[in-house]
Amino acid sequence: DTEVTQTPKHLVMGMTNKKSLKCEQHMGHRAMYWYKQKAKKPPELMFVYSYEKLSINESVPSRFSPECPNSSLLNLHLHALQPEDSALYLCASSQAGVYTDTQYFGPGTRLTVL
Amino acid sequence: KNQVEQSPQSLIILEGKNCTLQCNYTVSPFSNLRWYKQDTGRGPVSLTIMTFSENTKSNGRYTATLDADTKQSSLHITASQLSDSASYICVVSARSGGGADGLTFGKGTHLIIQP
Repeated sequence: DTEVTQTPKHLVMGMTNKKSLKCEQHMGHRAMYWYKQKAKKPPELMFVYSYEKLSINESVPSRFSPECPNSSLLNLHLHALQPEDSALYLCASSQAGVYTDTQYFGPGTRLTVL
Repeated sequence: KNQVEQSPQSLIILEGKNCTLQCNYTVSPFSNLRWYKQDTGRGPVSLTIMTFSENTKSNGRYTATLDADTKQSSLHITASQLSDSASYICVVSARSGGGADGLTFGKGTHLIIQP
């Protein structure tokens, strides 16, 4: 299995809602990432987990809360988002090296905040 | 500050033609350079990854080159197909890593193949 899967594909939520994005990989990768991508812009790194521990948090607002329950799963909990948080949220994984190994991306979750 | 510049910003070519996309970077210390293809609304897909000692790497009709002295890379697409229409993103890693500066994304080249 060489896929990174993400659910849901699309999500519409209000500013008071609580929702979660899920990401899963079964390649045995030990580094997992969350990115945010606005239209016609490159992905922006949000969080990096290495061996299930949060290793990088790029000053992301606390309304985004990552969680790595095990080596195959990565969640992103969303609460009290703003309309400007609407974007494509990408999950990626790599074998081990955070910056040395190829990252495999999931298809993304298209998030719309009303 | 680490930077990756890609050109052209967008490109339209006819099906069957070849094209070359450029990537210039100022990332130090250099670790590796990757080219990704991203279809609209989908996640990027890795095409090639090259380290300092590699000059050329091919993946089917895609050939990437790297000149570490001039800090330039190119992605050549041969005999383009309609399915090549996508954004092509150049990503450069810094050896020491650490924070967002460890991985620098270019803004991408938007390629359109016309029949």
